[in-house]
Amino acid sequence: KAGVTQTPRYLIKTRGQQVTLSCSPISGHRSVSWYQQTPGQGLQFLFEYFSETQRNKGNFPGRFSGRQFSNSRSEMNVSTLELGDSALYLCASSADRRQYEQYFGPGTRLTVT
Amino acid sequence: GDSVTQMEGPVTLSEEAFLTINCTYTATGYPSLFWYVQYPGEGLQLLLKATKADDKGSNKGFEATYRKETTSFHLEKGSVQVSDSAVYFCALSGSGGYNKLIFGAGTRLAVHP
Repeated sequence: KAGVTQTPRYLIKTRGQQVTLSCSPISGHRSVSWYQQTPGQGLQFLFEYFSETQRNKGNFPGRFSGRQFSNSRSEMNVSTLELGDSALYLCASSADRRQYEQYFGPGTRLTVT
Repeated sequence: GDSVTQMEGPVTLSEEAFLTINCTYTATGYPSLFWYVQYPGEGLQLLLKATKADDKGSNKGFEATYRKETTSFHLEKGSVQVSDSAVYFCALSGSGGYNKLIFGAGTRLAVHP
């Protein structure tokens, strides 16, 4: 099976702009979670989607949002970018709502200038 | 809230040395515990997991035992190789039954020939 794919791999944006990141889970996986990784804060949970519904959300401002499509692909959007949003954004997929084994994609490296 | 504490790195070892990376956790309920590894420029790879007390997860020579009495999940390997150089993350599944992982800060391992 193909692994989790994320596009784009690298992105450079300017403060105030918005950005959309995409994630395609492993075939058959219905749960997609997003994480932000920064040197200062480490790995932090953003949100999780299962069957097109957001089930859980981390402590991030409303500028961070996401959605999931009927084919389980997911997107996350960050509006009004700030310098502090520069990070590696990781997507993970899982087969079942109670299956905690998550498989991660390679990430999207976002740089905000 | 739930949390994970890992020993600070970097850990520097010679090839074939014994490795221990300490991990302790605080959690309500009965979380599953994980070790993930991140190689430079890549996403996270699941190394091993344990889902209940006294379970031992193992993979590629790495082992960790879920110790509920000491709330620990220490990672060990008997003989490290240069190719094991990476950042190791201890994680637990958050309370609530959903796919939310809470990570430790990560421990960088450098193995020299």
